[in-house]
Parts: sequence; structure tokens; C-alpha cells
Amino acid sequence: DAGITQSPRYKITETGRQVTLMCHQTWSHSYMFWYRQDLGHGLRLIYYSAAADITDKGEVPDGYVVSRSKTENFPLTLESATRSQTSVYFCASRSEGSGNTIYFGEGSWLTVV
Amino acid sequence: AQSVTQLDSQVPVFEEAPVELRCNYSSSVSVYLFWYVQYPNQGLQLLLKYLSGSTLVKGINGFEAEFNKSQTSFHLRKPSVHISDTAEYFCAVSDRGAQKLVFGQGTRLTINP
Repeated sequence: DAGITQSPRYKITETGRQVTLMCHQTWSHSYMFWYRQDLGHGLRLIYYSAAADITDKGEVPDGYVVSRSKTENFPLTLESATRSQTSVYFCASRSEGSGNTIYFGEGSWLTVV
Repeated sequence: AQSVTQLDSQVPVFEEAPVELRCNYSSSVSVYLFWYVQYPNQGLQLLLKYLSGSTLVKGINGFEAEFNKSQTSFHLRKPSVHISDTAEYFCAVSDRGAQKLVFGQGTRLTINP
């Protein structure tokens, strides 16, 4: 099925390790986003990308790195994981044009111990 | 910059009762408004959106929302809820020039039999 797929869905890692969350979309949408969801905070934007090789910071970018070498992929890397990065991470995409819907992946549950 | 306030973190209701989930936003420019639903362990799914035109917007699963510009509100309503409506609901806003959504903290809707 077309859509957004995230991997891994569940991950436990240790403090200080590097972790990469993968995101792949099959719609060729221009825009892609990474959000994190935490109790009491709703969803907060980490990074977004308007096209391949164009990325920009969101509300909470510290400790994260993104890349977008291909339109369909938007990996998120935690360079040195911390316990405060324990969260649910959602990748999302949307096509160009104002007001278009943002579509979300199923989420990646990350626990940093 | 935009912000969204969902006035209730939890709303318990009985099955077949009406429900209203409240959302207020803050923005200095014209906005687009969205309601998303998140079922347990899933990503977010669009319920409805307001872009322009009629202030009463109908969405999926019998939900509707009314845009009130003077009160900067976009409350979500359903006349008769079902057990399957148990989920977390997120209000979101973007200004018409922006590419990203700002989310509220979420409202957990619990339906009691």
C-alpha cells in the first residue's frame, strides 16, 4: 500500500548511542516532517524538509540531525541519545499547495535507557 | 507565530451523548485549521479541516467543527458518540503562508458505556 512507513516501530537504546529512525513515503510529496509526541506537549516539530537537499529546523531540533538525499526518504538521527529523547516520533508528508493535508506515519516508539 | 490551546486535557462522556472538544488558537494572520484523531498506538488521521468558505465544516465519522473568527475558536462536536470514538484528538493551525502545523496538547476522549 502507498503511504508513509516508519522503521523501526519500537526501539530501546542506551544513553550515548546513535540511533536512526527511517521514514519512507511513496507519494512523492515535496514536504516531509518529523514530530515528537510527549505527554502534555502534543506534537512538536523537530525538523522539516521542503524538497530533496532542503531541510530546516523546527521547534525542538537540538540533538537531532536529518538528511534528505532522495525525495522519498527522510531519516532522523539522534547523534548521542539522551533519556529526554525517549518519545514517540512521527514522520509526516504533504504535497505542495496551501492547505493540503499532512499525512502521518504510524510512529516510532523510542526508549533511551 | 501561531499557537493552539485545547481547553480540556480529558473529556469523559457516556455513549450516545453529545460531545464538544474545545480549541482556541492565536494568530495575527489568516489561518487554516485542522482536527486530527489518534487511536491507540496509531498515527494521526485527519478528521476535518477549515480552509475557507462555510464556517461549519463536516468531517469523517459524524464529526463537525465550527470556525469562529471573532472568538478565535474551532470547536469539534459530535451529536452522539460511540465507544469507537475513544481516542486522542488534536487541534492544529497553520498560517496560509506556512508549510507546517502547530498542534495543541491534545484532548483524550473517553466514552463510557
